[in-house]
Amino acid sequence: DTAVSQTPKYLVTQMGNDKSIKCEQNLGHDTMYWYKQDSKKFLKIMFSYNNKELIINETVPNRFSPKSPDKAHLNLHINSLELGDSAVYFCASSQTTSGGLETQYFGPGTRLLVL
Amino acid sequence: QKEVEQNSGPLSVPEGAIASLNCTYSDRGSQSFFWYRQYSGKSPELIMFIYSNGDKEDGRFTAQLNKASQYVSLLIRDSQPSDSATYLCASSGGGNKLVFGAGTILRVKS
Repeated sequence: DTAVSQTPKYLVTQMGNDKSIKCEQNLGHDTMYWYKQDSKKFLKIMFSYNNKELIINETVPNRFSPKSPDKAHLNLHINSLELGDSAVYFCASSQTTSGGLETQYFGPGTRLLVL
Repeated sequence: QKEVEQNSGPLSVPEGAIASLNCTYSDRGSQSFFWYRQYSGKSPELIMFIYSNGDKEDGRFTAQLNKASQYVSLLIRDSQPSDSATYLCASSGGGNKLVFGAGTILRVKS
């Protein structure tokens, strides 16, 4: 069973469109994340939710809107897609620990190409 | 700006050699450090984490941390062609936020 899954795996779309990416984890973790990895392989956090509550919101255009219906799901909606949004988007999850060492497990990624 | 810096490489080593991957960080508040391996077209997978000064060994992998020098390294002994990948260093200041470096490409030649 896939621990962290994302759909779709590939997404090719035109500029100006709106698209959504879905993420689900079956690890029982309480925290989920969205990362963006650009063409230079730089992995940068965008958002994080803990038990459906937004706890990390990096400097991301407000065209990006995360939504967590429950702690096992975190979706990412992107409005008015731009060329610069082309990247691989990774979902990840972790379990909060008292020791502060939360290992993050990554999904397979969604490869978004905006034409 | 809290940063994690890595040499992008590629670092080329012959099969069986020791590969040494290095990482520096700017935030002195960083408490724990993670090494992830990422194969081309795949997602990052955790190799090791370290939070105390010194060495931590796990099989062929050894992580080293020097907080005074703000330096983290990963040694891979008996390198294999299957170790060829991008290695990502990440720091955490506590809580959930990881700051990643840009990664070092490792190539192990058989």
